[in-house]
Amino acid sequence: ELKVEQNPLFLSMQEEKNYTIYCNYSTTSDRLYWYRQDPGKSLESLFVLLSNGAVKQEGRLMASLDTKARLSTLHITAAVHDLSATYFCAVEILGGADGLTFGKGTHLIIQP
Amino acid sequence: EAQVTQNPRYLITVTGKKLTVTCSQNMNHEYMSWYRQDPGLGLRQIYYSMNVEVTDKGDVPEGYKVSRKEKRNFPLILESPSPNQTSLYFCASSPRLAKNTGELFFGEGSRLTVL
Repeated sequence: ELKVEQNPLFLSMQEEKNYTIYCNYSTTSDRLYWYRQDPGKSLESLFVLLSNGAVKQEGRLMASLDTKARLSTLHITAAVHDLSATYFCAVEILGGADGLTFGKGTHLIIQP
Repeated sequence: EAQVTQNPRYLITVTGKKLTVTCSQNMNHEYMSWYRQDPGLGLRQIYYSMNVEVTDKGDVPEGYKVSRKEKRNFPLILESPSPNQTSLYFCASSPRLAKNTGELFFGEGSRLTVL
């Protein structure tokens, strides 16, 4: 059974600081997704990581994937209040077509 | 506009009263899925469908039914709702390239309360 663990689950930080959210998973996979959810809203796709060593960047967010360590990171650079949201990672089992397994989410609050 | 549409968005019902949450996508996606989101538990998959007339159980299928008679629609049926099915439900679809699930596109969510 695939397990996906995110940490931290809750993070309060100040603007202009840097921080990293970690996503560990238990089974071999090379397909990992990051989503953002604003309160009361749907999930919005942020990054799709499809191979070992993949790195994607969008604005102040950068995601990477290390399939050997079974680890993905979401790095926030010089945080701004607009990035406050819940961030989910989701993993897809290699060759599997039975959906994504989600972490429990990281609730991020960025204070001015 | 490419989208996944769910209805109703909000529903309060009583135990045992059958209900259906509809889901429709206009992206010609093969793969569709239902998730429920509960505080502290993240998203858990209820059922999924890889194509028309093909459905399968996810991680938490008990108390739910689905059907996939057309490619664009994937309704979620609660035959006899119970309070533990109070949750936020999301429908999602993906193009399912190369036999993988792929990137999911989510609907706006349906908040269900069962009294």
